[in-house]
Amino acid sequence: NAGVMQNPRHLVRRRGQEARLRCSPMKGHSHVYWYRQLPEEGLKFMVYLQKENIIDESGMPKERFSAEFPKEGPSILRIQQVVRGDSAAYFCASSPPDGTGELFFGEGSRLTVL
Amino acid sequence: EDQVTQSPEALRLQEGESSSLNCSYTVSGLRGLFWYRQDPGKGPEFLFTLYSAGEEKEKERLKATLTKKESFLHITAPKPEDSATYLCAGIGGSQGNLIFGKGTKLSVKP
Repeated sequence: NAGVMQNPRHLVRRRGQEARLRCSPMKGHSHVYWYRQLPEEGLKFMVYLQKENIIDESGMPKERFSAEFPKEGPSILRIQQVVRGDSAAYFCASSPPDGTGELFFGEGSRLTVL
Repeated sequence: EDQVTQSPEALRLQEGESSSLNCSYTVSGLRGLFWYRQDPGKGPEFLFTLYSAGEEKEKERLKATLTKKESFLHITAPKPEDSATYLCAGIGGSQGNLIFGKGTKLSVKP
């Protein structure tokens, strides 16, 4: 049973470019979460999605960041006009629909903004 | 505001030297307390879920316990391969997401 798959694992962008991070949840999981982790910081919640629905985006910056989880295909976290402060590890997690709260994480996408 | 605080930030142990990691929480209507292990450059790996005060769970050299205000991760006779950052997280009644502490970085020397 494949785990949560994230790609790319590493992404380098110049300031002002766009970054797209993709996440395929575990088989049978219908909930997707995105977290950001800065060096020496904890995991910070960004957004929680179900298929075609954003459930909670209270952790998303108001500008330049967006997320989607379409009916078909992976969830995508999109960062427009990246700045150096966006450099971080972005983790995707998925959970089963039983509501126990357990999250299973991917290996992360590490974004570096030059 | 819901919060999870872990201590110490870093812990160095000799192989075989048992110790405990602390996680204190203020999460309204706690529905679950979670422990994860994270190795450098990797995603967090799920270890335990605790749902109610008094509950305990064990896995190999690790045992997690929960009270109404904090959780402990006890490590018995650790080995160098136990070296990692251990993350604690809580989920409250009105939330759909986990709130994480900053973690405890454990180093076990042979």
